Amino acid sequence: GQNIDQPTEMTATEGAIVQINCTYQTSGFNGLFWYQQHAGEAPTFLSYNVLDGLEEKGRFSSFLSRSKGYSYLLLKELQMKDSASYLCAVRDSNYQLIWGAGTKLIIKP
Amino acid sequence: GAVVSQHPSWVICKSGTSVKIECRSLDFQATTMFWYRQFPKQSLMLMATSNEGSKATYEQGVEKDKFLINHASLTLSTLTVTSAHPEDSSFYICSARSPWNTEAFFGQGTRLTVV
Repeated sequence: GQNIDQPTEMTATEGAIVQINCTYQTSGFNGLFWYQQHAGEAPTFLSYNVLDGLEEKGRFSSFLSRSKGYSYLLLKELQMKDSASYLCAVRDSNYQLIWGAGTKLIIKP
Repeated sequence: GAVVSQHPSWVICKSGTSVKIECRSLDFQATTMFWYRQFPKQSLMLMATSNEGSKATYEQGVEKDKFLINHASLTLSTLTVTSAHPEDSSFYICSARSPWNTEAFFGQGTRLTVV
C-alpha cells in the first residue's frame, strides 16, 4: 500500500530552527509537496521537489532523497505565525496526491 | 500562482436539506479538480476526482449518490451534499491541478455544519 509518515506534533522555540521529516512509500513518484495549513483554513503551497537535493525559498527549505523515500522541511528563524500543520504529499504514478497526516508545529516564545 | 475560488466559505443547514459548494479556477482552465473532506485534527481525505465533461471518480467508501459532483466547464466544479446529516459536518476543500502540472491550487474551503 501507499504510505506517508510524518511526526504528529513538534514543538520549537521562536527564532530557532526546526526540521520536519517525511518518509514515503508510493506507487511511483512524480514529485513531493509541502503545504502549510493553519487551523480552519485551506492548505497553502510551500515547496515542490522532484529531483534530489535541497530547494531553498526564504526561511523555508525542502530536501528530497528519492532513493531513501525521504524528505524534510526546514524552517529557520521561526516566528509565532509559523505555528500550523505542515502536510507532506507525494504525487504517485497516476498523478494522484497521497497525503501525510500532517505535523502540528507549536512555536513557543 | 493560479487562483481557485470556493464558495461559500461556511454554511449551516438543517438536517435533510441539500447544500451546493462551488469551486472555480479563476485564471486557468482546470481539466481536473479534486474534492477533499477534512475532519478536525485529521488530514485531507480525497473524496473524488472531477474531470471536465465526464463523470467523477469517487474514492472507496464515498457515496456518489450523496455527494454529487458536476464539472460542466473547464473553470467550474460543484459538490452537492444531498440530504445532509450532522455526520456530514466537515471542512470541504477543492483543488485544481495546475496547467503546468506542479502544485495543486486549493480553494479557501467550506465549513459545513448540519444541525
